[in-house]
Amino acid sequence: DSGVTQTPKHLITATGQRVTLRCSPRSGDLSVYWYQQSLDQGLQFLIQYYNGEERAKGNILERFSAQQFPDLHSELNLSSLELGDSALYFCASSLHTDMTYNEQFFGPGTRLTVL
Amino acid sequence: GNSVTQMEGPVTLSEEAFLTINCTYTATGYPSLFWYVQYPGEGLQLLLKATKADDKGSNKGFEATYRKETTSFHLEKGSVQVSDSAVYFCALSDNNAGNMLTFGGGTRLMVKP
Repeated sequence: DSGVTQTPKHLITATGQRVTLRCSPRSGDLSVYWYQQSLDQGLQFLIQYYNGEERAKGNILERFSAQQFPDLHSELNLSSLELGDSALYFCASSLHTDMTYNEQFFGPGTRLTVL
Repeated sequence: GNSVTQMEGPVTLSEEAFLTINCTYTATGYPSLFWYVQYPGEGLQLLLKATKADDKGSNKGFEATYRKETTSFHLEKGSVQVSDSAVYFCALSDNNAGNMLTFGGGTRLMVKP
């Protein structure tokens, strides 16, 4: 158990809908990362938050947004869903300092199926 | 930009065979390198890491050496077990780019008894 929790574990929805994925980082970790794992794109970094502020952006679509709350949990919002958004969405957390690498601990993921 | 290339799978081995999974990278800075493992139905677990050239990461019998001259980080294990069957991901983290991970495509390892 990495200490990172994600809910829900599975999500099935229809095209055009909006969903919210939730992540709680390990106790004490300030940084949260979101990754998408799909068959055609592999594992891709989406976005990072550090202590409530957006720190880095990757291949995140404009239909997707995220935020990190004062209690450090994070939510990834996916809207106007398309079939191609079906994927496994991972959250990871790390202590994160700017000068050194801190290991990222991954949650179990949320499997999103868009029908 | 940064990228990671690893050998495509699946790799099928018999128990106690020697394992090598090749990984090469392209990075603009001085990255840290990682191998992650994903067991069926689970999230990613860090297997080993190396943060500078010539470092050797090791864990659970797996090893990988950070080779800057060949920009490689090949994963090796002397004697695989059935329980090693999983998908292995090579990844890099660029300290100049927020520490997000750039992953290779993953290599599925199947070990037969």
